[in-house]
Amino acid sequence: GQSLEQPSEVTAVEGAIVQINCTYQTSGFYGLSWYQQHDGGAPTFLSYNGLDGLEETGRFSSFLSRSDSYGYLLLQELQMKDSASYFCAPMGGSARQLTFGSGTQLTVLP
Amino acid sequence: DAGITQSPRHKVTETGTPVTLRCHQTENHRYMYWYRQDPGHGLRLIHYSYGVKDTDKGEVSDGYSVSRSKTEDFLLTLESATSSQTSVYFCAISDPGLAGQETQYFGPGTRLLVL
Repeated sequence: GQSLEQPSEVTAVEGAIVQINCTYQTSGFYGLSWYQQHDGGAPTFLSYNGLDGLEETGRFSSFLSRSDSYGYLLLQELQMKDSASYFCAPMGGSARQLTFGSGTQLTVLP
Repeated sequence: DAGITQSPRHKVTETGTPVTLRCHQTENHRYMYWYRQDPGHGLRLIHYSYGVKDTDKGEVSDGYSVSRSKTEDFLLTLESATSSQTSVYFCAISDPGLAGQETQYFGPGTRLLVL
C-alpha cells in the first residue's frame, strides 16, 4: 500500500531555519518531490530528489534517503512570503504519478 | 510559467447535472493529470493521461470520466454531479521524456460548487 506522513503545522520566525520531514511508502518509487502552495493558489514545484542525498536550490534544500523512505525540506532565512502549505509527493507508478498528503502549513511570524 | 489554462475557473451547478471541465496546454507535454483538492485531504489523483486516447484511473475516479482527443486538451466530466464532488480541481502536465521530467506544472484550478 501507500502511506505518507508529514507534520500538519510548523511555525517559525523570520530569518529562522525550518525542516519539514516526510516519511513515505510508495510502490514503484522513482523519487520525492516537494511542492509549495499559497492559499488560493496552485501548487508550484520546489525540488525533486531522485537519488539519495541533498539537493540545494537557493534558500531551499531537499534531502532523500531511499533506504529509510525518508526525506526532508529545509527552508533557510525564512521570509514572510514563505508562509504556505508544503507538500512532499512521492513519485511512482507507470505514469510517474505523484501522491500528495495533507501537507504542512508553515506560518512565518515577524 | 507553463502554458496551462483551465476553464471554467468557477462553476456552480445543481446535483444530478453533468459538468465538463477543460484543461488546455500549449507545452506539448505527453502526460496530463486531474486532481481534486479538499480541506484535510491534500490533492488526490482522479485520472491521468499518457497520450492521446490513453487514459487511466487514479485514486478517486468513481463518478468521473475523462477524454483526450488532442495532445493539448484533457477533459474531465462529472457524469451526474453530487455535493461530494464540490471541490477545487487542478490539472497538471509533465513530460518524462524531457529534462526536468520530474516536474508537474499545475493549472490555476477550477472551483466547483454542487448544490
